[in-house]
Amino acid sequence: KQEVTQIPAALSVPEGENLVLNCSFTDSAIYNLQWFRQDPGKGLTSLLLIQSSQREQTSGRLNASLDKSSGRSTLYIAASQPGDSATYLCAVGFTGGGNKLTFGTGTQLKVEL
Amino acid sequence: DVKVTQSSRYLVKRTGEKVFLECVQDMDHENMFWYRQDPGLGLRLIYFSYDVKMKEKGDIPEGYSVSREKKERFSLILESASTNQTSMYLCASSLFPIGRSSYNSPLHFGNGTRLTVT
Repeated sequence: KQEVTQIPAALSVPEGENLVLNCSFTDSAIYNLQWFRQDPGKGLTSLLLIQSSQREQTSGRLNASLDKSSGRSTLYIAASQPGDSATYLCAVGFTGGGNKLTFGTGTQLKVEL
Repeated sequence: DVKVTQSSRYLVKRTGEKVFLECVQDMDHENMFWYRQDPGLGLRLIYFSYDVKMKEKGDIPEGYSVSREKKERFSLILESASTNQTSMYLCASSLFPIGRSSYNSPLHFGNGTRLTVT
């Protein structure tokens, strides 16, 4: 079964810290991997998309890496701010999985003053 | 920017009612999706559509149907609402299919509809 796991489920850090969120997946045959942010009671906002042929993508203070062989992706957030507090989800498009993404259950991040 | 609009933020319905959830996107996207999100279970795909009048079942289609009469609009229908369908429903769209890996086509979500069935 193709699954996506995010550990830990929750994380609290002081403002200014650099942090890494983890995503693991069970099958290395993937099309792409996406990272999303979700604020409470809202929909998801796409942050970064990494194609299967890529190793990383960057947007501002965010950097996402992909290691297909080990089934892992990380989202690095530099110089965290209270406004970064949200739930971060990763989602994988598995080859043979059809036109859909399989989501992890997310990591709830709190950045404290 | 892509805008995906869900017609209601909150809905309260009674058991047995027929419920319509509406979703509209403004970027001429071919692909549209309905997910539900529950604590501890994450997002699960109910149905998706890759063209007008075309639909495919996702992972949890039971108790739901969909309609796509126009490219910009994708409706989710609960034929006879039940309490176990109380959930957050999220609509999404993308320009290209997930599997067309040579294109950068992220998924764009609406703000969700929180449905309570009593």
